[in-house]
Amino acid sequence: EAQVTQNPRYLITVTGKKLTVTCSQNMNHEYMSWYRQDPGLGLRQIYYSMNVEVTDKGDVPEGYKVSRKEKRNFPLILESPSPNQTSLYFCASSPRGAGNPPLHFGNGTRLTVT
Amino acid sequence: AQSVTQPDIHITVSEGASLELRCNYSYGATPYLFWYVQSPGQGLQLLLKYFSGDTLVQGIKGFEAEFKRSQSSFNLRKPSVHWSDAAEYFCAVGAVETNAGKSTFGDGTTLTVKP
Repeated sequence: EAQVTQNPRYLITVTGKKLTVTCSQNMNHEYMSWYRQDPGLGLRQIYYSMNVEVTDKGDVPEGYKVSRKEKRNFPLILESPSPNQTSLYFCASSPRGAGNPPLHFGNGTRLTVT
Repeated sequence: AQSVTQPDIHITVSEGASLELRCNYSYGATPYLFWYVQSPGQGLQLLLKYFSGDTLVQGIKGFEAEFKRSQSSFNLRKPSVHWSDAAEYFCAVGAVETNAGKSTFGDGTTLTVKP
């Protein structure tokens, strides 16, 4: 089954403790992206990657890092989380040429930073 | 810069009635336009997309949308709403350029369906 898998689904952490949210897709898609969703603000793009070793900033990249060492994986790293990063995070993917926004979304990771 | 506006935060319709959700975009050239639906606790599901060609686009679940360049709009329609359509709906715009990866979403419209 074609899917985008995020882990964990729920995460509670404390300010300053580094964390990684994993994202993996099994569709051999070139394009992957991370979004955060906050009430009344829709989805805002954090980072995206057009292919392996190619990443770029979205609209709200501050406080986040990403890497794309393999085509299928696109982890989101919070080196020093803060309470304002409490949010619902989505990873997504698309094949090359399919256009952005992406076609396939994961089920989300709800992060709480205390 | 690209932007998307969904003017209606919340819409309530009766089951069986027709539905139109509004979306206005701002983009310098021909955009990619998308509509997604999100049920509570779920990720986003793509309903339909417009790249080029026929301006009336058919999607899943009986939805359609019409691209109107002159009005910078991409409104979503359904002739007869079902209770299961209650969800949040997002319009989004993406760049057409080959190497562009940025995408912008509207703030969403929550649809409530009355029995």
